[in-house]
Amino acid sequence: DTEVTQTPKHLVMGMTNKKSLKCEQHMGHRAMYWYKQKAKKPPELMFVYSYEKLSINESVPSRFSPECPNSSLLNLHLHALQPEDSALYLCASSIRLAEYNEQFFGPGTRLTVL
Amino acid sequence: AQSVTQLDSQVPVFEEAPVELRCNYSSSVSVYLFWYVQYPNQGLQLLLKYLSGSTLVKGINGFEAEFNKSQTSFHLRKPSVHISDTAEYFCAVNTGGFKTIFGAGTRLFVKA
Repeated sequence: DTEVTQTPKHLVMGMTNKKSLKCEQHMGHRAMYWYKQKAKKPPELMFVYSYEKLSINESVPSRFSPECPNSSLLNLHLHALQPEDSALYLCASSIRLAEYNEQFFGPGTRLTVL
Repeated sequence: AQSVTQLDSQVPVFEEAPVELRCNYSSSVSVYLFWYVQYPNQGLQLLLKYLSGSTLVKGINGFEAEFNKSQTSFHLRKPSVHISDTAEYFCAVNTGGFKTIFGAGTRLFVKA
């Protein structure tokens, strides 16, 4: 299995809702990432987990809450989002957290906040 | 601080023509360089990477890139493009801070 899967594919939520994005990989990778990508822009790093521990938090607002319950799963919990949070949310993984390792990306969750 | 500049936001080209997508980086230390492709409504996929050794790197789908340390460039080339190569291409650099820096992207549009 050489892919990263993300669910749901699309999500529409109101500003008072609570929802979660899910990411899964079975490649034995020990680093996992969340990115936010706005239209026609590059991905922006949000969080990095290494060996299930949060290693990097790029000063993301607290309405985004990551969770890494085990080495294969990564969740992003969403609460009280704003319309400007609408974007494509990409999950990625790499063998280890190292500068020479490429990242494997999932197809993303297209989030719309109303 | 490291940064990546992709000099062209859009590159239109006819099918079967050659193409070069330009990428320059700034860093005072050793770099690791990557090119990723993003097809519409999909995630990013690695095309190729430069870690060390030979400066000419071959990747998937017939793409190659040349690392030029003196010009701090890592341009992506393909000798003959297909309609299916239409996508967004991102150059990326990592100099050891565990954070990959992406360029702004170049939209390659292949015309019939």
